[in-house]
Amino acid sequence: NAGVMQNPRHLVRRRGQEARLRCSPMKGHSHVYWYRQLPEEGLKFMVYLQKENIIDESGMPKERFSAEFPKEGPSILRIQQVVRGDSAAYFCASAPRAPHEKLFFGSGTQLSVL
Amino acid sequence: SQELEQSPQSLIVQEGKNLTINCTSSKTLYGLYWYKQKYGEGLIFLMMLQKGGEEKSHEKITAKLDEKKQQSSLHITASQPSHAGIYLCGAVASGGGADGLTFGKGTHLIIQP
Repeated sequence: NAGVMQNPRHLVRRRGQEARLRCSPMKGHSHVYWYRQLPEEGLKFMVYLQKENIIDESGMPKERFSAEFPKEGPSILRIQQVVRGDSAAYFCASAPRAPHEKLFFGSGTQLSVL
Repeated sequence: SQELEQSPQSLIVQEGKNLTINCTSSKTLYGLYWYKQKYGEGLIFLMMLQKGGEEKSHEKITAKLDEKKQQSSLHITASQPSHAGIYLCGAVASGGGADGLTFGKGTHLIIQP
């Protein structure tokens, strides 16, 4: 049973470009969480999605950031017009049922904005 | 919002020695999770504690949740190089909620041979 798969592992973008981060949850998991990790800030919650629905996006910036989890295919975290401050490690986690189940994490995508 | 404070921020321990990492919450904990992160990788689940006074062990790692459910400790006995990494505590928001887990900033553990 494959774990949570994230790709790419590393993504380099120039300022103003778009970044698309993908997350395939574990098989049978319908709950996906996105977190951002910065060295001095730790791991910060961004958004929680179930299939086709955004449940909680209170941790996600209102502008330039969006997330989706379509019926078919991976969850996508999209960052438009990236800025240097977006450089961070972005982690996806999935859970099988209720929100408070143990979360299974992917290996993350390291985004570097030049 | 709930905040988790971990101490120490970093720890250097000689191989074979014991160590303790603490996690203190600003609010009552309804579930406390310990994860380990190797540098540049994702988080690996270690243990989950829910009841006040609960204690769980896995190999040489023991975690406890105090009776008041506002503090947890992670204890490693006879540390090994494989224990090196970042240890994070995560908690369910008090009263439940849909926003997953809130995490502390982590404790960086280095094991000296």
